[in-house]
Parts: sequence; structure tokens; C-alpha cells
Amino acid sequence: QSALTQPRSVSGSPGQSVTISCTGTSSDVGTYNHVSWYQQHPGKAPKLMIYDVTKRPSGVPDRFSGSRSGNTASLTISGLQAEDEADYSCCSYAGSVLFGGGTKLTVL
Amino acid sequence: QLQLQESGPGLVKPSETLSLTCTVSGGSISSSSYYWGWIRQPPGKGLEWIGSIFYSGTTYYNPSLKSRATLSVDTSKNQFSLILISVTAADTAVYFCARLYRYGEYYFDYWGQGTLVTVTS
Repeated sequence: QSALTQPRSVSGSPGQSVTISCTGTSSDVGTYNHVSWYQQHPGKAPKLMIYDVTKRPSGVPDRFSGSRSGNTASLTISGLQAEDEADYSCCSYAGSVLFGGGTKLTVL
Repeated sequence: QLQLQESGPGLVKPSETLSLTCTVSGGSISSSSYYWGWIRQPPGKGLEWIGSIFYSGTTYYNPSLKSRATLSVDTSKNQFSLILISVTAADTAVYFCARLYRYGEYYFDYWGQGTLVTVTS
């Protein structure tokens, strides 16, 4: 199984919205609901932001939302804030665990 | 508050064995709701799942590492461990341990801070 495909980088200005895509196949992202997203600041551990495609853990701002269309899952961050600048990785469970390569979000 | 802490050598020689332990505090590793996993991240690269283990000893591995990785659990010490044999420079990475919820839903919700392991002679 190959890693999930994410854009290397995205950017947006404070207050704007950005969407990060995560493309898999019909054998993983397209079939299973077990897609999660993690935020990682430099030198820190990943933090769970979204699980099961659209669910948000307690404590995660509602500016973060998840969705899926076909074999592509997406993380949308609305009302961008400076502290959102980080790396974001998607993860899919399909019998085995696959991660995306990570996307660096820059807040301009 | 649940905490996970990785420990082990930061330097390993090529062809030798990497050994790491994750100590869980603030909760029991014997919970029936959770598995425990190892994930690594080479410098400047993405996350890679290595494997997961249940307190009973049931294991799941990344097929690409299955022949070299072994996970074990010690419930008396509230710890789980990773052994990776025949390491090369490609195994240089930050190694994270994490708690995995995998009943109906599937996600890693608590992570250790990570430990850098460098493979070098």
C-alpha cells in the first residue's frame, strides 16, 4: 500500500479559509470512514484534530472541519490564525495504517 | 492526564538492533478500549506507522517492516516496546509511541514527545 497523497504546502492569510486534500484509493480513503487528521508544530508530537472523516475531538476549535469526496478526504481550516501554521497529516485505516506525506500550512 | 514517554538509545550502529520502550502513566495499558502503537518520522518526511499492540499481546504490523519489527507489552510495568533489527541509515527517524482507539472509530489520540534515533557508525 502506498502512502496517501497530500500537497507539500498550502498558504493563506489570517481570517481566510484553506483546504488540505488527502488522496487515497477506493481500498482505503474511498471505502473506510477511518480518516483522521493531525496537526504538528515543529519539534512537537502530532495532535489529533479530526477523526472518522468529520468528527472533532473535544477541545479542537470548530474552525477545523473534515469532509470526503470519493477517494479524497479534506481538512478545511476557516478563520485562519497565526497559531494554525503547522504541518498537517492525514491518516487512513484500511486493515493497515497509512499516513499522508504531510502538508506545511503557512499563514501569511 | 494520560502521558506517554519514549526511552532508549539515541544512536544505533548499522546492522544492529534498535530497542525502544514507551512508558504509560496516568492510565492503564490494560484497558480493553485501546491499542498502543509506534509511529516514526524520518527527518523532513512524513509519518510512518510501524505497528500496534493490545495488552493481551495481539499485534499488527506495517507489511513493509513486519520482517524486522517486533512489538511487546509488559502490563506489570505499564510499558510496551519496539525492537527493530538490522537497521540502516533509512531507519534514522523520530520514533513516537501513541495510544490507538480502534473500536468502531480509529485514531491516535495521545502521543509521546518522540525520541530521535540516529543510525550511524
